[in-house]
Amino acid sequence: AQSVTQLGSHVSVSEGALVLLRCNYSSSVPPYLFWYVQYPNQGLQLLLKYTSAATLVKGINGFEAEFKKSETSFHLTKPSAHMSDAAEYFCAVGSNFGNEKLTFGTGTRLTIIP
Amino acid sequence: ETGVTQSPTHLIKTRGQQVTLRCSSQSGHNTVSWYQQALGQGPQFIFQYYREEENGRGNFPPRFSGLQFPNYSSELNVNALELDDSALYLCASSRSPDTQYFGPGTRLTVL
Repeated sequence: AQSVTQLGSHVSVSEGALVLLRCNYSSSVPPYLFWYVQYPNQGLQLLLKYTSAATLVKGINGFEAEFKKSETSFHLTKPSAHMSDAAEYFCAVGSNFGNEKLTFGTGTRLTIIP
Repeated sequence: ETGVTQSPTHLIKTRGQQVTLRCSSQSGHNTVSWYQQALGQGPQFIFQYYREEENGRGNFPPRFSGLQFPNYSSELNVNALELDDSALYLCASSRSPDTQYFGPGTRLTVL
């Protein structure tokens, strides 16, 4: 079984400040890990993914995430927040074992303070 | 390369009715997955189709059913609608396990 916990349903940061969104996972098999972003009234857009290659993953819009197996974490960071980063962010876990089902966390709403 | 499209965008139904939602996969993608996203929640896996066969199902009752067609487009059917079925329904297509591409979703409201 797989599960994802996102710590903090709401995060507020000032424009230009560091963004840190936390994600911890549980998986009985080697995981694939994903971060998706959702803007209001839209579907999900893939930000980045970890699929057992490099542990530091770079994605779109300046975001990156680091896979830490010992901490079962996959936190999302961005050095400098921009107003356009305001959205809902979802962490998800999947696997390569026949079924591409994704298990999502409950999401973190990111607010950028001007 | 076209993206994943879904229709309709919005839909309003009453309890007990039936609904069909449609999804066109991204070109070359042979796998489609459906998710339900209730308000304020993360998406929940409903089921997945691979080459027209169901390839996994989440914790949803049998009144949720699906089809995948030879061109890899897909339908989600829900019978006997309940108020709790009100949600955003997302379709995702893929051709490998490491990336799913999501459509914009269909917002279903059950009154």
